[in-house]
Amino acid sequence: KQEVTQIPAALSVPEGENLVLNCSFTDSAIYNLQWFRQDPGKGLTSLLLIQSSQREQTSGRLNASLDKSSGRSTLYIAASQPGDSATYLCAVRPQGGATNKLIFGTGTLLAVQP
Amino acid sequence: NAGVTQTPKFQVLKTGQSMTLQCAQDMNHNSMYWYRQDPGMGLRLIYYSASEGTTDKGEVPNGYNVSRLNKREFSLRLESAAPSQTSVYFCASSVPAINTGELFFGEGSRLTVL
Repeated sequence: KQEVTQIPAALSVPEGENLVLNCSFTDSAIYNLQWFRQDPGKGLTSLLLIQSSQREQTSGRLNASLDKSSGRSTLYIAASQPGDSATYLCAVRPQGGATNKLIFGTGTLLAVQP
Repeated sequence: NAGVTQTPKFQVLKTGQSMTLQCAQDMNHNSMYWYRQDPGMGLRLIYYSASEGTTDKGEVPNGYNVSRLNKREFSLRLESAAPSQTSVYFCASSVPAINTGELFFGEGSRLTVL
């Protein structure tokens, strides 16, 4: 059974620091992995999607990497800002079975201190 | 472009009452989903619809029913609400996994069952 884990559950950093959020999954047979941002009381906003054939994706100050063989993905945030404070979730779309079923991690709560 | 729209945003019910959560997307996506989000449990799939006219159970379908009214709309019904159904409900839509499978979420519907 595919399981997705995000460590740490919470992270606090000073403004301007570069940081890495981690996501690990137990089964490497995936179509893709998606990173989301969730602000308090809001829905999930898609940040980056990495297909299984890709190693990384970039959008602005965000860079997501994927290592299927080790079951790991990282989200790198450069020059963090207080506006980056939110919960970040990763989700994998497994191959086989019900391919519509994304498996979510429980998220990392990021606080960027001014 | 509205994306995924959910109504209502907030609802308070008494045990045993029924209600329907509405969801509509304007991105011409084939697949639609209903998730619930609970503290410490992450996002769990209730039902999904791979295409118009089809629906399938997710991880936690008990106590819920769904209707894929047309390609745009996917509703979630609670026939007899229970306190355990107090949660934040999210509707999402996506293109097929064979393409990108990128998931887009609505803002959520916050339900309290007393």
